Amino acid sequence: SAVISQKPSRDICQRGTSLTIQCQVDSQVTMMFWYRQQPGQSLTLIATANQGSEATYESGFVIDKFPISRPNLTFSTLTVSNLSPEDSSIYLCSVVLGTATYEQYFGPGTRLTVT
Amino acid sequence: GESVGLHLPTLSVQEGDNSIINCAYSNSASDYFIWYKQESGKGPQFIIDIRSNMDKRQGQRVTVLLNKTVKHLSLQIAATQPGDSAVYFCAESSNTGKLIFGQGTTLQVKP
Repeated sequence: SAVISQKPSRDICQRGTSLTIQCQVDSQVTMMFWYRQQPGQSLTLIATANQGSEATYESGFVIDKFPISRPNLTFSTLTVSNLSPEDSSIYLCSVVLGTATYEQYFGPGTRLTVT
Repeated sequence: GESVGLHLPTLSVQEGDNSIINCAYSNSASDYFIWYKQESGKGPQFIIDIRSNMDKRQGQRVTVLLNKTVKHLSLQIAATQPGDSAVYFCAESSNTGKLIFGQGTTLQVKP
């Protein structure tokens, strides 16, 4: 597996502001993803973070709301823009390490509360 | 649309007993399945995976069974311990790396 860290671990933000979440991996990975986990619910894929190009978003998620960067093979950021209370969730990054496996590992998550 | 669902939202077992957590999936094209354990305040932890060309895979105290005929997946935990208390998620994928998660089952272990 890999060591995956996220910053911040939690934050409280006011509506209308933005929060940028960082995901750092201790080794190069082939794939990186961002998920959202709303309170008491399961995980939903937001987007695939593509290295050096625009992220690929799932239905219901758009770049203006969730801009993503992935400048290299070990780092990605997710910004949640124009925050509303409905954005209060846990945001998680995940990685697939190699090309021969789809084993996917998750970071510890970032708990966002919007007031 | 595609969905992965779990039959029981909460499972309560006695310490030392075996636990069985079930999952149904609807996408017959899915060929890779993972079970995760999520403890409170933490990210999902990889437990075990299985490819569609297998019907059983064993790990340490855990076994995953896959029945493609009825699109059913189960996780068996042997000799359940208090440390096994958590929410368990199944997830499916179809060679894209993207995971579709089930609802989650809370496992409660009674001492």
